[in-house]
Amino acid sequence: QVQLVQSGAEVKKPGSSVKVSCKTSRDTFSSYAINWVRQAPGQGLEWMGGIIPIFGTSISAQKFQGRVTITADESTTTAYMELSRLRSEDTAVYFCARGTWGSSGEKYNYFYMDVWGKGTTVTVSS
Amino acid sequence: DIQMTQSPSTLSASVGDRVTITCRASQSISNWLAWYQQKPGKAPKLLIYKASSLESGVPSRFSGSGSGTEFTLSISSLQPDDFATYYCQQYNSYSQVTFGGGTKVEIK
Repeated sequence: QVQLVQSGAEVKKPGSSVKVSCKTSRDTFSSYAINWVRQAPGQGLEWMGGIIPIFGTSISAQKFQGRVTITADESTTTAYMELSRLRSEDTAVYFCARGTWGSSGEKYNYFYMDVWGKGTTVTVSS
Repeated sequence: DIQMTQSPSTLSASVGDRVTITCRASQSISNWLAWYQQKPGKAPKLLIYKASSLESGVPSRFSGSGSGTEFTLSISSLQPDDFATYYCQQYNSYSQVTFGGGTKVEIK
């Protein structure tokens, strides 16, 4: 059974950074995209970006550009999402999710997400 | 960005009811649409992809339809396990995925 195992809950100060990890299988790492989706308390789902690990190419949603860094480590088949300059509004549950993807030339499209991690709670508070 | 609007935001229904949720895109997305179910404290679960393809293991009482800008998720006979929040997601826009605001299905 495919699983994505996320790192534990974090409490951070405003202005600091947080890095959340998502451990995958070798098959997932080599064939799928890893997406990052967050959910603020009582709110809906928000796509932050993703990475296609075999190519090492990542992209972030326009809202998070300049603040989020998405990476992947082939040796440990682990994806990471780092969010900087944290503010209280970043308090949320952060999910990683395996997804399908497609390409058109050098452009990559992120599709639907079929396997999700359990989520990592990030609390930003002074 | 493509905006996704779901309606209603909350739906009250009884076990056995037929339920329909609508998702509208701000521009055409062909059939590049997925539906998810989420229960409190849990990760979302994929139900439907490519507007009408049922994910493996999902009960056949769930179905999706639509193309272009208007889509629906239907549950033919609501079961106790189906009370949850449902989200649509478009993946037509190059590398800019967006979700709808969600529809909570609650017990009437």
